[in-house]
Amino acid sequence: AQRVTQPEKLLSVFKGAPVELKCNYSYSGSPELFWYVQYSRQRLQLLLRHISRESIKGFTADLNKGETSFHLKKPFAQEEDSAMYYCALSALGGTASKLTFGTGTRLQVTL
Amino acid sequence: ETGVTQSPTHLIKTRGQQVTLRCSSQSGHNTVSWYQQALGQGPQFIFQYYREEENGRGNFPPRFSGLQFPNYSSELNVNALELDDSALYLCASRKGGSSYNEQFFGPGTRLTVL
Repeated sequence: AQRVTQPEKLLSVFKGAPVELKCNYSYSGSPELFWYVQYSRQRLQLLLRHISRESIKGFTADLNKGETSFHLKKPFAQEEDSAMYYCALSALGGTASKLTFGTGTRLQVTL
Repeated sequence: ETGVTQSPTHLIKTRGQQVTLRCSSQSGHNTVSWYQQALGQGPQFIFQYYREEENGRGNFPPRFSGLQFPNYSSELNVNALELDDSALYLCASRKGGSSYNEQFFGPGTRLTVL
C-alpha cells in the first residue's frame, strides 16, 4: 500500500527564514514524488517533481530513498510562499494517474 | 488554452439521493482522474478514465461510478449518498500515454450531504 505522511499541519516562519516541509512515504515499488501547492482561492497545482530535479520558485526537494523522505526546502521564505502544500506519490512509470496525497501542511510566512 | 472546468461549483443533497458531477478536461487532454478531498485531508484518488475506459480505481465502493465522453469530458456519479460523501470533488486531466505528463486540476465541486 502507498502512504504519504506530512507530520505538520501548520508551519509558521518569519520572512527570510529557511523553510523545510517534511514528507515521508511508504511504497514497495519505485515511487515518483511530487509537491503540489494551493494558494488562497486558487486550484491545486504542481510545484515540482523529483524526476525533474528542478528548483521552482526557490524550492527544492531531494528524494532520499534510505530515509523514504522527500522534504521540501527553501532557504529564504517569502510572503507569497504562504499556501497549502501537499506531498504526493505515484508509481514510477505507471500509466494510471493515481496520486496518493498526504494531509498537507499549511505554510504561513509572517513579517 | 482553456483549463479544467467543473460544474456545479457546489451543491447540497440529502442522504440516499444520487448526484452527478461534471468535468471538462483541458484542451488536448484525453485522461481524466477524479479525487475526493474531505475536510482537513489530502485528495484521495477515486478513478481514472482514458479514452472512455476506466483504467485505474482507488478504494471506493461501486456506488461511485463514472463516464468519459468522446470529447474527453467526464462525469462522476454517486448513488445512495451518505453523510461521509460530503467533500470537495476534484477533477484532473492530462495527456495520456505517459505518467510523466503533468495533471492539471479543476477548481472542484463542493458536495454537502445532509
